[in-house]
Amino acid sequence: GQQVMQIPQYQHVQEGEDFTTYCNSSTTLSNIQWYKQRPGGHPVFLIQLVKSGEVKKQKRLTFQFGEAKKNSSLHITATQTTDVGTYFCAGPGDTDKLIFGTGTRLQVFP
Amino acid sequence: NAGVMQNPRHLVRRRGQEARLRCSPMKGHSHVYWYRQLPEEGLKFMVYLQKENIIDESGMPKERFSAEFPKEGPSILRIQQVVRGDSAAYFCASSPIGLAKNIQYFGAGTRLSVL
Repeated sequence: GQQVMQIPQYQHVQEGEDFTTYCNSSTTLSNIQWYKQRPGGHPVFLIQLVKSGEVKKQKRLTFQFGEAKKNSSLHITATQTTDVGTYFCAGPGDTDKLIFGTGTRLQVFP
Repeated sequence: NAGVMQNPRHLVRRRGQEARLRCSPMKGHSHVYWYRQLPEEGLKFMVYLQKENIIDESGMPKERFSAEFPKEGPSILRIQQVVRGDSAAYFCASSPIGLAKNIQYFGAGTRLSVL
């Protein structure tokens, strides 16, 4: 079946360092979404990318959708302690359901 | 505009009891999804429903678990004869129809503990 993998599984950074998580799908995706889940919280929608090669920015966050529409990345510049959480990518599967990636847990040390 | 409402937030059950988890989608949303999340793990899809219809239940265990989304009222995820392995956070999400139909809005979840 369709799988969405993310690396790394965990990332510990010093505050101010950059962070990147990578997302790879076993199939071509019509779109890719990113969600953030704070510790003890629920997933919150961040962004959706639709076009091949698309790049979108939200303040210190940069999202990219690969040319082949099978991979994506999220880059955070100069991390802050408020960035702590788990970042999930997700792509549509059959029947319109979303297939979530395995997630990358980010820990930021002050 | 209220978000996705889930209740209860925390539920404690003894082995063999039934657990009922409720989810009211956002106003105007007709699609509901249920996910299970074990501690320190990702989101595992369970079931996708529209009003009075189960669209995809490929992630639901074949026994003891059922879900419904009636014409009136919230969606219900029901777990019969709970076991310790059912302890997890259960999240409900809803999405609108149309172009944004894939974007999901999550509730705060129900944390189920089975003693």
